[in-house]
Amino acid sequence: GAGVSQSPRYKVAKRGQDVALRCDPISGHVSLFWYQQALGQGPEFLTYFQNEAQLDKSGLPSDRFFAERPEGSVSTLKIQRTQQEDSAVYLCASSLRGPTWRETQYFGPGTRLLVL
Amino acid sequence: AQTVTQSQPEMSVQEAETVTLSCTYDTSESDYYLFWYKQPPSRQMILVIRQEAYKQQNATENRFSVNFQKAAKSFSLKISDSQLGDAAMYFCAYRITQGGSEKLVFGKGTKLTVNP
Repeated sequence: GAGVSQSPRYKVAKRGQDVALRCDPISGHVSLFWYQQALGQGPEFLTYFQNEAQLDKSGLPSDRFFAERPEGSVSTLKIQRTQQEDSAVYLCASSLRGPTWRETQYFGPGTRLLVL
Repeated sequence: AQTVTQSQPEMSVQEAETVTLSCTYDTSESDYYLFWYKQPPSRQMILVIRQEAYKQQNATENRFSVNFQKAAKSFSLKISDSQLGDAAMYFCAYRITQGGSEKLVFGKGTKLTVNP
């Protein structure tokens, strides 16, 4: 089947605007992850879902960041009142089962966000 | 806290030759997983190879192999018979599993250039 898909691929926002980034995981994958990758850096963890439950949001940098996965499949990462420091590539990943199965995370192509 | 260090920001290799990318990590756990991911300019992160810490045998995947030194907390990637398509950013990652969640901790990456 298809891999992880993300949309939009590119997003330009004016400072202060709200943005919503979408992730479609591999069909049937239980676990879903969001990462933020600043220019020239490795990805950094933002949040983790197991089905519709958000079990870990320790990496969200501020309360302007909000993620949801209401039906346990598609996920949306929302950033309110965007700031220039939010400019980055946002990567989504999914894996088939939960953490105890120790499975590989498969990544999407990312959404490049530029805040002007 | 678990950290991952890639000390080589850039590396280059001639086509058909061998190159080794280094990675060290810090952890107090005894059972863990390590990964090498490849990120071509299109930005989709692709798994190259994974290593379970409890396995003494080094993982291999075709032209890719690792040198896993658990005591030294070292996890280097060897690419044999380098090809032009190997040019990419390479990230070393450590999986953390705790409290029902999991996440990958990445190094800053090594940019590999393959010269024809």
